[in-house]
Amino acid sequence: AQKITQTQPGMFVQEKEAVTLDCTYDTSDPSYGLFWYKQPSSGEMIFLIYQGSYDQQNATEGRYSLNFQKARKSANLVISASQLGDSAMYFCAMRDPRVSAGGTSYGKLTFGQGTILTVHP
Amino acid sequence: KAGVTQTPRYLIKTRGQQVTLSCSPISGHRSVSWYQQTPGQGLQFLFEYFSETQRNKGNFPGRFSGRQFSNSRSEMNVSTLELGDSALYLCASSLEGAGKETQYFGPGTRLLVL
Repeated sequence: AQKITQTQPGMFVQEKEAVTLDCTYDTSDPSYGLFWYKQPSSGEMIFLIYQGSYDQQNATEGRYSLNFQKARKSANLVISASQLGDSAMYFCAMRDPRVSAGGTSYGKLTFGQGTILTVHP
Repeated sequence: KAGVTQTPRYLIKTRGQQVTLSCSPISGHRSVSWYQQTPGQGLQFLFEYFSETQRNKGNFPGRFSGRQFSNSRSEMNVSTLELGDSALYLCASSLEGAGKETQYFGPGTRLLVL
C-alpha cells in the first residue's frame, strides 16, 4: 500500500524568504507520480507541481520547485520568495499507478496529512 | 476554460436523510474522482468514474454511491446520513485519469449533518 508522510504540521516563514515543506513516500511500484496541492481556507485544492518517478530533472513551476530524492523517497516542495498569499495548507499526494489493460495507468491520489504554512510580513 | 464546478457549495442535513452532490468536470475531461476531507481522517478517496463506469473505489460503506453521465458530469449520493459524514467533499477531474495527468479540483461541497 502506498503511504505519504508529511511530518511538519505547521511551518512559519518570513515574507520573501524561501521555505521547504517535507514529504516522504512509500511505494513498491517503480512507476508513480507525485503531486503538490495548495488548499487555502476557502477549501479548493490548487495544483502546484508534478514529479514523475522517471523524470530526470526536478520539477519547477515558477516559485515552486520540487527537491526529488528518489533513493530517499522524498519529494520536498520548495517555495522561493514567499508571499502573504502563500499562507495555506499544503498537501503532498501520490498517484496509485494501477495499470489498465490498455497500458495506461489511472487511479486515486493518496494524500499526506498536510502542512499549514503561515507567511509573516 | 471553466474549472471544475460543484453544487451545492454548502449543505445542512439531519441524520438519516440522504444527499446528492453534483460535479461538472472541466470541458473535455472524462475522469471524475471524489474525495472526502475531514479533520480527523484527512483526504480520503471515495471513487473514480470514467466513461460512465466506476473504475476505482475507496474503502467507504455502501451508503456512498456515485454515477457519471454521458456528458461526464458526476453525482455522488450518501444515504442514511450519519454525523460522521460531515465533511468537505471534493471532486476532481482529469482527461483520462492516467499516469502523469493532473487532477484538477473543484471548490468542494461542505456538508454538515446534524
